[in-house]
Amino acid sequence: AQTVTQSQPEMSVQEAETVTLSCTYDTSESDYYLFWYKQPPSRQMILVIRQEAYKQQNATENRFSVNFQKAAKSFSLKISDSQLGDAAMYFCAAGKVDSNYQLIWGAGTKLIIKP
Amino acid sequence: EPEVTQTPSHQVTQMGQEVILRCVPISNHLYFYWYRQILGQKVEFLVSFYNNEISEKSEIFDDQFSVERPDGSNFTLKIRSTKLEDSAMYFCASSEAIHTVTNTGELFFGEGSRLTVL
Repeated sequence: AQTVTQSQPEMSVQEAETVTLSCTYDTSESDYYLFWYKQPPSRQMILVIRQEAYKQQNATENRFSVNFQKAAKSFSLKISDSQLGDAAMYFCAAGKVDSNYQLIWGAGTKLIIKP
Repeated sequence: EPEVTQTPSHQVTQMGQEVILRCVPISNHLYFYWYRQILGQKVEFLVSFYNNEISEKSEIFDDQFSVERPDGSNFTLKIRSTKLEDSAMYFCASSEAIHTVTNTGELFFGEGSRLTVL
């Protein structure tokens, strides 16, 4: 069975600074994907970034990047130059390849941006 | 930009009543999903749907739940006889394809329907 753990219920960061959100996972699958989703107050889950487990290179999307440590089963999200619009709940999720998005989710981290 | 829409945004119902939550997926998407999030708990997968049938479902998705695509646009989740523990936020999502090694069909979510069972 897969599990996803986010150990930080809440994080805060000064605007323009960098913050890292932690995620660890446990899976016996060989082919899987990892995701970070953002849920702003509007409630809609928005994909931030995804990482294919077979790729060694860390995924990046503009100010968002991940530190994927496969052996350690760690998948942290780094947000650089934090902006007020980044304030949201951030969820880490894992899914098996070809599994119809039967995702396993972490509990979420609330990110607060201080102006 | 195309989006997934859900109605109602909030529904309050009495225990034992039937509830139907509605979703309009993005028009060219072929795969549809329901997830739920009980307040303070993790998001949980309920079911995936493709080609007018359930592809995968979780243990949560028991006989009290059903899904349907009654026409070319709507995708519904029905809870036959609601229980207190069904109170949650229900998220609909859709994707053009499933996530495979060669295809990254991104998942798009609606804003959720909050169900409160009294």
